[in-house]
Amino acid sequence: GENVEQHPSTLSVQEGDSAVIKCTYSDSASNYFPWYKQELGKRPQLIIDIRSNVGEKKDQRIAVTLNKTAKHFSLHITETQPEDSAVYFCAASRGTGGFKTIFGAGTRLFVKA
Amino acid sequence: ETGVTQTPRHLVMGMTNKKSLKCEQHLGHNAMYWYKQSAKKPLELMFVYSLEERVENNSVPSRFSPECPNSSHLFLHLHTLQPEDSALYLCASSRVQGAGDTGELFFGEGSRLTVL
Repeated sequence: GENVEQHPSTLSVQEGDSAVIKCTYSDSASNYFPWYKQELGKRPQLIIDIRSNVGEKKDQRIAVTLNKTAKHFSLHITETQPEDSAVYFCAASRGTGGFKTIFGAGTRLFVKA
Repeated sequence: ETGVTQTPRHLVMGMTNKKSLKCEQHLGHNAMYWYKQSAKKPLELMFVYSLEERVENNSVPSRFSPECPNSSHLFLHLHTLQPEDSALYLCASSRVQGAGDTGELFFGEGSRLTVL
C-alpha cells in the first residue's frame, strides 16, 4: 500500500539552531503535502502545506520544500525556540479530501534552551 | 464551543464492555474521520464519512463500529476490545469541495482509551 517515510524519529537541537525533517512518499498521484504539529497532550494542527505545483513555500520561520521527481519533501524550521518542541507529522494526499491523507510516523523535536 | 470536540477525553474499559466515543464538529464541515494514534506509529485512518459516503479501512476489526447520524456528529462504538486497542483515538473533520478542497484536517483533542 501507499506509505510515507519520515526521518528522523527524534531530533534534538539547541535554541536558535535550524531543524530539518525529511519525508518521502510512494504514491506518485499525491499532490498535497501538509505538515502537522502536535504539542504534548494537544491535538495535531496544520502549520504549513504545499501543493505539487510549487517547489517551496515559506511562512516566517517555517519553510517546506518539495521535489516531485524524487518524491520527497522537507520541513525547515529556522531560529528554533523552546515552543517549537513538539511532534511533527508530514503527510501526503491526493488533495481530494482528508480521507486520502497518508501520514508519516512523526518526528519528536526537542529544542534545548 | 468551536472546533472539534471529543468525549470522553479518557476511557478505561474491560474487554467485555461496550462503550462509545463521541465527536462533534462546529465548523460546518462535511467530512468526518476517526484516526488511531499509537506511540511511534503513523496516524492510522480508521473510518471516514464524506458527503454521505463511508470510506472504510479494510484492516479495522469489526469490534470498532462507526456511526455518523449527520454531518456534525460522529460516533465510534466499541465492543469486546483487546488490550492492543489501547491508544489515542482522534476525530477530525474537513471541508470537501471536490477539486477545490484544501485537504486540511481539523482534529479534536482525542479520547485516550485503555483496555484492561
